[in-house]
Amino acid sequence: NAGVTQTPKFQVLKTGQSMTLQCAQDMNHNSMYWYRQDPGMGLRLIYYSASEGTTDKGEVPNGYNVSRLNKREFSLRLESAAPSQTSVYFCASRGFEDSPLHFGNGTRLTVT
Amino acid sequence: TQLLEQSPQFLSIQEGENLTVYCNSSSVFSSLQWYRQEPGEGPVLLVTVVTGGEVKKLKRLTFQFGDARKDSSLHITAAQPGDTGLYLCAGAPAKTSYDKVIFGPGTSLSVIP
Repeated sequence: NAGVTQTPKFQVLKTGQSMTLQCAQDMNHNSMYWYRQDPGMGLRLIYYSASEGTTDKGEVPNGYNVSRLNKREFSLRLESAAPSQTSVYFCASRGFEDSPLHFGNGTRLTVT
Repeated sequence: TQLLEQSPQFLSIQEGENLTVYCNSSSVFSSLQWYRQEPGEGPVLLVTVVTGGEVKKLKRLTFQFGDARKDSSLHITAAQPGDTGLYLCAGAPAKTSYDKVIFGPGTSLSVIP
């Protein structure tokens, strides 16, 4: 019962470095999501993918790119990390409208 | 400015007290969900409300969806320390893709024994 798996759990980057956050789900869900969580801000939607082969911008997409590699995997890439991208990143998936979002355990990213 | 607002932002109460937290928007939502998040973990769904005016109960928790589907409330009766956590409302605005699920900023609840 893995659910949603995110890697890595922790990462420290220097300003300007790039990295990719990985996310995989084993629940055969159609929709997948990337959120970031900052103190007092709840979760803000970065990008989402309604189905394999489609991606759409969320509330705060600037500075990020995503790839829906297949139905299971949805990756988030930071091409040139900035200190403002220091945050906790959550991946989520769900099967259909109004069904629960299932979350991974998060990636804590620090950009110095 | 976030599309979903929540109040209060922080709440600290004694065990046994009752409380209500609110989720409000100027936009109509086809449905709203409430999640609870504990430190170091992802949010977990508590309930989904779909129909305007709907009331759902989950043990000591009562959820209500406003008639106009722009707001929702969560009432906890006789709070317990195990209720401590971050309460988040979420939904997709009716005029956007139903997959575009956004969250409010959350209410951080602390129940003191």
